[in-house]
Amino acid sequence: DVVMTQTPLSLSVTPGQPASISCKSSQSLLHSDGKTFLYWYLQKPGQSPQLLIYEVSSRFSGVPDRFSGSGSGTDFTLTISRVEAEDVGVYYCMQGIHLPWTFGQGTNVEIK
Amino acid sequence: EVQLVESGGALVQPGGSLRLSCAASGFTFSTCWMSWVRQAPGKGLEWVANINTDGSQKYYVDSVKGRFTISRDNAKNSLFMEMNSLRAEDTAVYYCVRLGYRGYMGLWGRGTTATVSS
Repeated sequence: DVVMTQTPLSLSVTPGQPASISCKSSQSLLHSDGKTFLYWYLQKPGQSPQLLIYEVSSRFSGVPDRFSGSGSGTDFTLTISRVEAEDVGVYYCMQGIHLPWTFGQGTNVEIK
Repeated sequence: EVQLVESGGALVQPGGSLRLSCAASGFTFSTCWMSWVRQAPGKGLEWVANINTDGSQKYYVDSVKGRFTISRDNAKNSLFMEMNSLRAEDTAVYYCVRLGYRGYMGLWGRGTTATVSS
C-alpha cells in the first residue's frame, strides 16, 4: 500500500500568519495522463471531512483562496497564506491513484 | 438540497452483521461513483470501498474483502454496505461519499456509527 506521511502532526498558528503542511507519498502519484491524484481534506471539529484541494493544486468550489496546494511526484504541500480561526481542525492528504486509496495520519491545526 | 444521509449503524456483537444505507438527494445519483470511508474513534480516515455508476465495478480495502459488500440501487438513489463477520476493529463512523470527476471526494454525509462489542 502507498504510505502517506504528513508533517508536522500538530501545528499551532497565530491568526493572520501562514501555515504549511507537508505530505510525502511512498510511490509517485503521477498518472500516465499527466494528472496527479493528490487531495487535501479538512475535518473541522465535530464535522465530516470536506474537500479543499484536488489534483495537487486545484481548489474545490467555495474554498477560500488563502488555501493553496503545490508539489509533484511524491512531495506535496498545503499552504494557508493567512490562518483564520475557522481553519482549525485536522488536515488530511490522500492519494487516489493506487488501490487501496490511502490517507495521511492527519495534521491537527490549532489557533494560538 | 444536495446531500447524503447515512443510516443503519448500531451496536452489534463480534461476528455479527450490519447493513448500512445512504440516501442521496439533490443530484443525479446514477451518474456518480460512490465510496464508503470510515473513521475509528479518535483515529484518522480510512477508505473502505468504491462502486461505479452501475455497480459492475467494486473495490475494497484488504481488511474488509470477503466480509463487506458495497452495492447500490439507482432507482432508489441509495448506496449500501453489507457488513458481515464484524470485528472490534470495524468499530467506526462510516461516511458515505460521492466521488467527483477524477476521483475526488466532493460530498460527504454526516456518518453513521457501527460499534462492534460484546
